[in-house]
Amino acid sequence: GAVVSQHPSWVICKSGTSVKIECRSLDFQATTMFWYRQFPKQSLMLMATSNEGSKATYEQGVEKDKFLINHASLTLSTLTVTSAHPEDSSFYICSAPGRIYNSPLHFGNGTRLTVT
Amino acid sequence: DQQVKQNSPSLSVQEGRISILNCDYTNSMFDYFLWYKKYPAEGPTFLISISSIKDKNEDGRFTVFLNKSAKHLSLHIVPSQPGDSAVYFCAASLPNSGSEKLVFGKGTKLTVNP
Repeated sequence: GAVVSQHPSWVICKSGTSVKIECRSLDFQATTMFWYRQFPKQSLMLMATSNEGSKATYEQGVEKDKFLINHASLTLSTLTVTSAHPEDSSFYICSAPGRIYNSPLHFGNGTRLTVT
Repeated sequence: DQQVKQNSPSLSVQEGRISILNCDYTNSMFDYFLWYKKYPAEGPTFLISISSIKDKNEDGRFTVFLNKSAKHLSLHIVPSQPGDSAVYFCAASLPNSGSEKLVFGKGTKLTVNP
């Protein structure tokens, strides 16, 4: 069964509004979670690393004021796309490391965001 | 700069035959490689991995081969089944980052025809 739950699976919003995406680790604690974005026919690109109890670490070129990440508990990380624009339309996926070092990442099912 | 490249966007094979998915990388510092499988509207699921100290890893119908000198790895699926139809992503990581900070290729869409 799924070990990482992501919600919502899809969302349509109007330009200028904000959208929150949740990522939960099921049955295990994740002090770190990762947020990826995938544009059509492109690879998964790491946006940021979410750290429980501290600030997220953003990859180069990712606007931290636009993509707000909160990791308030050991099982929940949220990504908020603020003041969304059509160019933010993409597939957002979260992941959490396995329990053992070098064990594969567990991915959520992703969120398809469409900004109109 | 694409550090992990999957040059074939799609591949079509007949059921029962071998599927070979290829992946090239440019960063010789990568020391851990993974293959993920992704169905539409779902997140990627881990398939198989290989450490740079090995040149082959096998798990059932899936075998990954690593050629470090060529900076090339491949995933072999034999025999291929219609349920294997999905997008396959190759991913790589640097030392001390484990499987956490992965660099992904663009994926190859595999279609296995009955």
